[in-house]
Amino acid sequence: SQTIHQWPATLVQPVGSPLSLECTVEGTSNPNLYWYRQAAGRGLQLLFYSVGIGQISSEVPQNLSASRPQDRQFILSSKKLLLSDSGFYLCAWNNGLEKISYEQYFGPGTRLTVT
Amino acid sequence: AQKVTQAQTEISVVEKEDVTLDCVYETRDTTYYLFWYKQPPSGELVFLIRRNSFDEQNEISGRYSWNFQKSTSSFNFTITASQVVDSAVYFCALSETNNDMRFGAGTRLTVKP
Repeated sequence: SQTIHQWPATLVQPVGSPLSLECTVEGTSNPNLYWYRQAAGRGLQLLFYSVGIGQISSEVPQNLSASRPQDRQFILSSKKLLLSDSGFYLCAWNNGLEKISYEQYFGPGTRLTVT
Repeated sequence: AQKVTQAQTEISVVEKEDVTLDCVYETRDTTYYLFWYKQPPSGELVFLIRRNSFDEQNEISGRYSWNFQKSTSSFNFTITASQVVDSAVYFCALSETNNDMRFGAGTRLTVKP
């Protein structure tokens, strides 16, 4: 069966520091991968998605970036964090053989607090 | 453009009550997909159901049921005989063909013992 991992689970970082969040998927090949952010008490905002290695689509311009160095690895980064980057970051995947519009499966999330 | 509205921000019920979570959507596509997800306090989103636009049959899964009505652009979710473990934030979502998923703002359901 497929599983999705995210780490770290929680992170407290000062403003201006760099960020690296990692997401890996097991049990599937060539998945579509997604990064979402959920601000406190809010819905989900799609940040990036990827249909293959090195292929990244950005939904919202901001100081975050994403990379996909391996088929089942998706990394969210920032060179300098802002207070507004605080939130709950969720990684998700769905089957790359199916339409990108089908259901996604989510990881456990990373709770980021920027101080 | 695709849009999902969950007008109920918070709902509180007592255990064993039935509760319906509303979802209204907007889309220009004739082919689209609707979803419900559950987010318990742990934070992970759990997929509950996908409904295709060309299939208006209602679905029942245990205590959960979904009512899809294209005429009113609604995809409502009913929990029968609610339990404390049903307490969570529930998200409705919509995706158009070959397009990414858009989520509603979510409804926080609290079931009190």
